Amino acid sequence: SQQGEEDPQALSIQEGENATMNCSYKTSINNLQWYRQNSGRGLVHLILIRSNEREKHSGRLRVTLDTSKKSSSLLITASRAADTASYFCATDYDMRFGAGTRLTVKP
Amino acid sequence: GAVVSQHPSWVICKSGTSVKIECRSLDFQATTMFWYRQFPKQSLMLMATSNEGSKATYEQGVEKDKFLINHASLTLSTLTVTSAHPEDSSFYICSAISGGGSTDTQYFGPGTRLTVL
Repeated sequence: SQQGEEDPQALSIQEGENATMNCSYKTSINNLQWYRQNSGRGLVHLILIRSNEREKHSGRLRVTLDTSKKSSSLLITASRAADTASYFCATDYDMRFGAGTRLTVKP
Repeated sequence: GAVVSQHPSWVICKSGTSVKIECRSLDFQATTMFWYRQFPKQSLMLMATSNEGSKATYEQGVEKDKFLINHASLTLSTLTVTSAHPEDSSFYICSAISGGGSTDTQYFGPGTRLTVL
Protein backbone atom coordinates (compact mmCIF):
# COMPACT_ATOMS: atom_id res chain seq x y z
CA SER A 1 0.00 0.00 0.00
CA GLN A 2 1.04 3.60 -0.39
CA GLN A 3 3.11 5.38 2.20
CA GLY A 4 1.51 8.75 1.65
CA GLU A 5 -2.27 9.01 1.78
CA GLU A 6 -3.89 12.35 1.10
CA ASP A 7 -7.14 13.60 2.53
CA PRO A 8 -9.63 14.80 1.40
CA GLN A 9 -9.76 13.25 -2.05
CA ALA A 10 -11.45 16.32 -3.47
CA LEU A 11 -11.78 19.89 -2.28
CA SER A 12 -13.66 22.72 -3.91
CA ILE A 13 -13.35 26.29 -2.66
CA GLN A 14 -13.83 29.87 -3.80
CA GLU A 15 -10.96 32.04 -4.88
CA GLY A 16 -9.46 33.83 -1.91
CA GLU A 17 -10.28 31.09 0.57
CA ASN A 18 -7.69 28.89 2.23
CA ALA A 19 -7.28 25.24 1.29
CA THR A 20 -6.01 22.63 3.69
CA MET A 21 -5.12 19.10 2.74
CA ASN A 22 -3.66 16.35 4.84
CA CYS A 23 -1.26 13.49 4.39
CA SER A 24 -0.74 10.46 6.57
CA TYR A 25 2.08 7.96 6.40
CA LYS A 26 2.99 4.76 8.10
CA THR A 27 6.68 4.55 8.95
CA SER A 28 9.50 6.69 10.26
CA ILE A 29 10.78 9.13 7.69
CA ASN A 30 13.63 11.54 7.05
CA ASN A 31 11.55 13.92 5.01
CA LEU A 32 8.18 14.43 3.41
CA GLN A 33 7.53 16.20 0.15
CA TRP A 34 4.47 17.83 -1.38
CA TYR A 35 3.89 17.99 -5.11
CA ARG A 36 1.38 19.58 -7.42
CA GLN A 37 0.20 18.17 -10.69
CA ASN A 38 -1.81 20.11 -13.19
CA SER A 39 -4.02 18.03 -15.43
CA GLY A 40 -1.97 15.99 -17.87
CA ARG A 41 1.32 17.46 -16.74
CA GLY A 42 4.26 16.23 -14.72
CA LEU A 43 4.64 16.71 -11.02
CA VAL A 44 6.02 19.95 -9.66
CA HIS A 45 7.88 19.84 -6.38
CA LEU A 46 6.40 22.32 -3.93
CA ILE A 47 8.11 21.89 -0.62
CA LEU A 48 10.18 19.45 1.41
CA ILE A 49 9.96 19.27 5.17
CA ARG A 50 12.48 17.31 7.17
CA SER A 51 11.62 15.14 10.13
CA ASN A 52 13.19 17.61 12.58
CA GLU A 53 11.06 20.47 11.28
CA ARG A 54 7.53 21.18 12.44
CA GLU A 55 6.52 23.91 10.04
CA LYS A 56 7.80 25.35 6.81
CA HIS A 57 6.64 28.22 4.64
CA SER A 58 7.06 28.96 0.96
CA GLY A 59 5.08 31.89 -0.40
CA ARG A 60 1.40 31.11 0.12
CA LEU A 61 2.19 27.55 1.16
CA ARG A 62 2.51 26.38 4.73
CA VAL A 63 3.41 22.80 5.54
CA THR A 64 3.31 21.24 8.96
CA LEU A 65 4.68 17.91 10.06
CA ASP A 66 3.69 15.94 13.12
CA THR A 67 5.95 12.92 13.35
CA SER A 68 4.16 11.64 16.46
CA LYS A 69 0.95 11.38 14.47
CA LYS A 70 2.72 10.53 11.24
CA SER A 71 0.86 13.25 9.44
CA SER A 72 1.46 16.40 7.47
CA SER A 73 -0.75 19.19 6.24
CA LEU A 74 -0.47 21.58 3.33
CA LEU A 75 -2.18 24.93 3.62
CA ILE A 76 -2.61 27.17 0.61
CA THR A 77 -3.64 30.64 1.65
CA ALA A 78 -5.57 33.12 -0.47
CA SER A 79 -6.15 30.52 -3.14
CA ARG A 80 -6.28 31.38 -6.81
CA ALA A 81 -7.90 29.68 -9.77
CA ALA A 82 -4.41 28.76 -10.93
CA ASP A 83 -4.00 26.64 -7.81
CA THR A 84 -6.50 24.18 -9.27
CA ALA A 85 -4.56 20.93 -9.47
CA SER A 86 -3.98 17.62 -7.73
CA TYR A 87 -1.70 17.63 -4.75
CA PHE A 88 0.35 14.65 -3.61
CA CYS A 89 2.61 13.87 -0.72
CA ALA A 90 5.46 11.40 -0.67
CA THR A 91 8.06 10.38 1.86
CA ASP A 92 11.70 9.49 1.38
CA TYR A 93 10.96 6.04 2.77
CA ASP A 94 8.60 5.05 0.02
CA MET A 95 8.28 6.62 -3.42
CA ARG A 96 4.70 5.56 -3.84
CA PHE A 97 1.97 8.14 -4.02
CA GLY A 98 -1.55 8.17 -2.72
CA ALA A 99 -4.56 9.18 -4.74
CA GLY A 100 -3.86 12.83 -4.08
CA THR A 101 -6.20 15.66 -3.26
CA ARG A 102 -7.92 17.22 -6.24
CA LEU A 103 -8.31 20.92 -5.49
CA THR A 104 -10.69 23.08 -7.48
CA VAL A 105 -10.58 26.82 -6.92
CA LYS A 106 -13.58 28.58 -8.39
CA PRO A 107 -13.07 32.15 -9.64
CA GLY B 1 16.59 23.97 -9.23
CA ALA B 2 17.42 20.56 -10.59
CA VAL B 3 15.92 19.68 -13.95
CA VAL B 4 14.81 16.35 -15.30
CA SER B 5 13.85 16.03 -18.92
CA GLN B 6 11.95 13.37 -20.79
CA HIS B 7 11.91 12.59 -24.46
CA PRO B 8 9.67 12.37 -26.30
CA SER B 9 6.94 14.41 -24.63
CA TRP B 10 4.34 12.47 -26.55
CA VAL B 11 4.35 9.53 -28.90
CA ILE B 12 1.79 7.69 -30.96
CA CYS B 13 2.61 4.22 -32.15
CA LYS B 14 0.99 1.20 -33.71
CA SER B 15 0.12 -1.84 -31.68
CA GLY B 16 2.99 -4.31 -31.59
CA THR B 17 5.78 -1.81 -31.89
CA SER B 18 8.27 -0.84 -29.20
CA VAL B 19 8.69 2.64 -27.81
CA LYS B 20 11.67 4.02 -25.92
CA ILE B 21 11.32 6.89 -23.47
CA GLU B 22 14.38 8.70 -22.20
CA CYS B 23 14.76 10.35 -18.83
CA ARG B 24 17.71 12.65 -18.25
CA SER B 25 18.92 14.57 -15.24
CA LEU B 26 20.30 17.74 -16.77
CA ASP B 27 22.34 19.33 -14.02
CA PHE B 28 22.96 16.63 -11.48
CA GLN B 29 23.94 13.01 -11.25
CA ALA B 30 21.11 10.70 -10.37
CA THR B 31 22.08 7.39 -8.88
CA THR B 32 18.41 6.50 -8.55
CA MET B 33 15.59 7.16 -10.97
CA PHE B 34 11.97 6.13 -10.73
CA TRP B 35 9.43 5.37 -13.41
CA TYR B 36 5.74 6.00 -12.86
CA ARG B 37 2.63 5.47 -14.89
CA GLN B 38 -0.52 7.47 -14.58
CA PHE B 39 -3.90 6.71 -16.07
CA PRO B 40 -6.37 9.55 -16.55
CA LYS B 41 -7.63 11.01 -13.29
CA GLN B 42 -5.70 8.48 -11.28
CA SER B 43 -2.67 8.73 -9.09
CA LEU B 44 0.86 7.98 -10.05
CA MET B 45 1.77 4.34 -9.82
CA LEU B 46 5.36 3.45 -9.22
CA MET B 47 6.50 0.98 -11.85
CA ALA B 48 10.14 0.50 -11.02
CA THR B 49 13.18 1.87 -9.30
CA SER B 50 16.22 2.23 -11.47
CA ASN B 51 19.72 2.29 -10.03
CA GLU B 52 22.70 3.18 -12.16
CA GLY B 53 24.70 0.17 -13.14
CA SER B 54 22.33 -2.42 -11.78
CA LYS B 55 19.07 -4.08 -12.67
CA ALA B 56 15.89 -2.20 -12.02
CA THR B 57 13.60 -3.20 -9.21
CA TYR B 58 10.07 -3.66 -10.47
CA GLU B 59 6.89 -3.23 -8.48
CA GLN B 60 4.58 -6.14 -8.08
CA GLY B 61 2.41 -6.62 -11.12
CA VAL B 62 4.73 -4.78 -13.51
CA GLU B 63 6.04 -7.01 -16.27
CA LYS B 64 9.79 -6.58 -16.46
CA ASP B 65 9.96 -8.15 -19.90
CA LYS B 66 7.44 -5.68 -21.21
CA PHE B 67 8.81 -2.57 -19.57
CA LEU B 68 12.56 -2.69 -20.06
CA ILE B 69 14.51 -0.22 -17.97
CA ASN B 70 18.13 0.66 -18.54
CA HIS B 71 20.04 3.06 -16.31
CA ALA B 72 23.31 3.12 -18.17
CA SER B 73 24.70 6.34 -16.80
CA LEU B 74 24.25 8.70 -13.90
CA THR B 75 22.23 11.06 -16.07
CA LEU B 76 20.17 8.76 -18.26
CA SER B 77 17.55 6.11 -17.72
CA THR B 78 15.40 4.66 -20.47
CA LEU B 79 12.07 2.88 -20.40
CA THR B 80 11.21 0.73 -23.39
CA VAL B 81 7.64 -0.42 -23.77
CA THR B 82 7.95 -3.56 -25.85
CA SER B 83 5.21 -4.85 -28.12
CA ALA B 84 2.95 -2.02 -27.06
CA HIS B 85 -0.79 -2.52 -26.92
CA PRO B 86 -3.62 -0.02 -26.54
CA GLU B 87 -3.88 -0.78 -22.82
CA ASP B 88 -0.32 0.52 -22.44
CA SER B 89 -1.51 3.96 -23.43
CA SER B 90 -0.76 6.13 -20.47
CA PHE B 91 1.24 9.04 -19.11
CA TYR B 92 4.72 7.92 -18.11
CA ILE B 93 6.71 10.04 -15.68
CA CYS B 94 10.24 9.61 -14.47
CA SER B 95 11.89 11.15 -11.48
CA ALA B 96 15.40 11.34 -10.15
CA ILE B 97 17.06 11.79 -6.81
CA SER B 98 20.30 13.69 -6.71
CA GLY B 99 23.08 11.92 -4.92
CA GLY B 100 20.89 9.03 -3.91
CA GLY B 101 20.65 10.18 -0.32
CA SER B 102 17.40 9.70 1.52
CA THR B 103 17.22 13.36 2.43
CA ASP B 104 17.37 14.62 -1.15
CA THR B 105 14.45 15.90 -3.15
CA GLN B 106 12.86 13.88 -5.86
CA TYR B 107 12.71 15.80 -9.15
CA PHE B 108 10.18 14.86 -11.77
CA GLY B 109 10.29 14.95 -15.52
CA PRO B 110 7.46 16.54 -17.50
CA GLY B 111 6.07 13.16 -18.53
CA THR B 112 5.58 11.32 -21.80
CA ARG B 113 2.13 10.64 -23.15
CA LEU B 114 2.01 7.34 -24.98
CA THR B 115 -0.89 6.50 -27.23
CA VAL B 116 -0.97 3.05 -28.78
CA LEU B 117 -3.34 2.66 -31.70
